Amino acid sequence: EVQLVQSGAEVKKPGESLKISCKGSGYSFTNYWIAWVRQMPGKGLEWMGIIYPGDSDTRYSPSFQGQVTISADKSISTAYLQWSSLKASDTAIYYCARLISPSDIRYFDPWGQGTLVTVSS
Amino acid sequence: IVLTQSPGTLSLSPGERATLSCRASQSVSSSYVAWYQQKPGQAPRLLIYGASNRATGISDRFSGSGSATDFTLTISRLEPEDFAVYYCHQYGSPYTFGQGTKLEIK
Repeated sequence: EVQLVQSGAEVKKPGESLKISCKGSGYSFTNYWIAWVRQMPGKGLEWMGIIYPGDSDTRYSPSFQGQVTISADKSISTAYLQWSSLKASDTAIYYCARLISPSDIRYFDPWGQGTLVTVSS
Repeated sequence: IVLTQSPGTLSLSPGERATLSCRASQSVSSSYVAWYQQKPGQAPRLLIYGASNRATGISDRFSGSGSATDFTLTISRLEPEDFAVYYCHQYGSPYTFGQGTKLEIK
């Protein structure tokens, strides 16, 4: 079974750093892009960026460029999303998702279960 | 590319037909349009990809259609488990989601 399993909920203070993870299993991790998606409380989905674990090629949404860092360790089939200095406005659920791209088709499947990040003083 | 979904909230009864719209600010390849369902406390789930292809395990009550700037998700006969939030998504650069349509029980 193809799965993405994310790290657990985090509670942090403004200014702290954080790295959350997304571990893939049941497929060849290096051959599929992994995306990160933010969902702020009661709001919709926002694409943050995407990484190809095979060579660590990374693309960011203009809205998130410079705000977060996406990385991957292919040796342990894990992608990461990190912040160097959290803000209260980073409070959200963060999802990872695998990009499927046969020929000209694109879609995200599956999705991780989500990681709730709460930033509060 | 901005995706605008309508209506924001749709109130219907089980057994009725639901029609959800997704309009793009510029033409999008239909190959790059997908629909997701999200229930409270759950991650999004893929329903439709390539504008009209049902994902594995998705009921045939769900269908997608459209091209260029106008895309539609139709649920033919609503079941209680269908009441959720639905998002359209396009895979141009950058990827964008619609703001969602909440399908609620009337």
